[in-house]
Amino acid sequence: LAKTTQPISMDSYEGQEVNITCSHNNIATNDYITWYQQFPSQGPRFIIQGYKTKVTNEVASLFIPADRKSSTLSLPRVSLSDTAVYYCLVAMTSGSARQLTFGSGTQLTVLP
Amino acid sequence: KAGVTQTPRYLIKTRGQQVTLSCSPISGHRSVSWYQQTPGQGLQFLFEYFSETQRNKGNFPGRFSGRQFSNSRSEMNVSTLELGDSALYLCASSAQGTTEAFFGQGTRLTVV
Repeated sequence: LAKTTQPISMDSYEGQEVNITCSHNNIATNDYITWYQQFPSQGPRFIIQGYKTKVTNEVASLFIPADRKSSTLSLPRVSLSDTAVYYCLVAMTSGSARQLTFGSGTQLTVLP
Repeated sequence: KAGVTQTPRYLIKTRGQQVTLSCSPISGHRSVSWYQQTPGQGLQFLFEYFSETQRNKGNFPGRFSGRQFSNSRSEMNVSTLELGDSALYLCASSAQGTTEAFFGQGTRLTVV
């Protein structure tokens, strides 16, 4: 099964918009793309989920192109408390096998 | 509504022993999945259960097994522990038809 790919780390300043992209070539046809946030010593926390085009909630937006081979998490106006690791989660397929696969995670550091 | 509860939070075992970890999902959630998190490998999918049936399985050796009970509580077992099994084991529950998963705090397993 192919892996998902994310940038290892990103730095940003408070108040800026941050975009984190995840590539997932073998995504399952009918599955959603989900993003999580994780702080040290805690389990991942759900941020947003989408299937195609654009989804927005109170904390983030998710952009998914028509081929669904990538997705971009957008965090508007980040603050210091947004410093965390961000993961995408997709269901990947290879033949009849289906496996839930996390991206490698992106360490976002928000600077004052 | 109570979140996902994992017990124990911390565990130290000796090489060759076996261990059982427990997960109580959010009330009403019938899907439970397990993940292993290590600094080197990131978050890796172990298996997913739905209504007492294993629905998906990750690429882990047969020493890793799990089960789900009729009340949706789940256990995972690791036999013949190896040093490399030291990790944070996370459990997540979700409602049917969604990949919006809610994670527990995890069980930190240390094998010495």
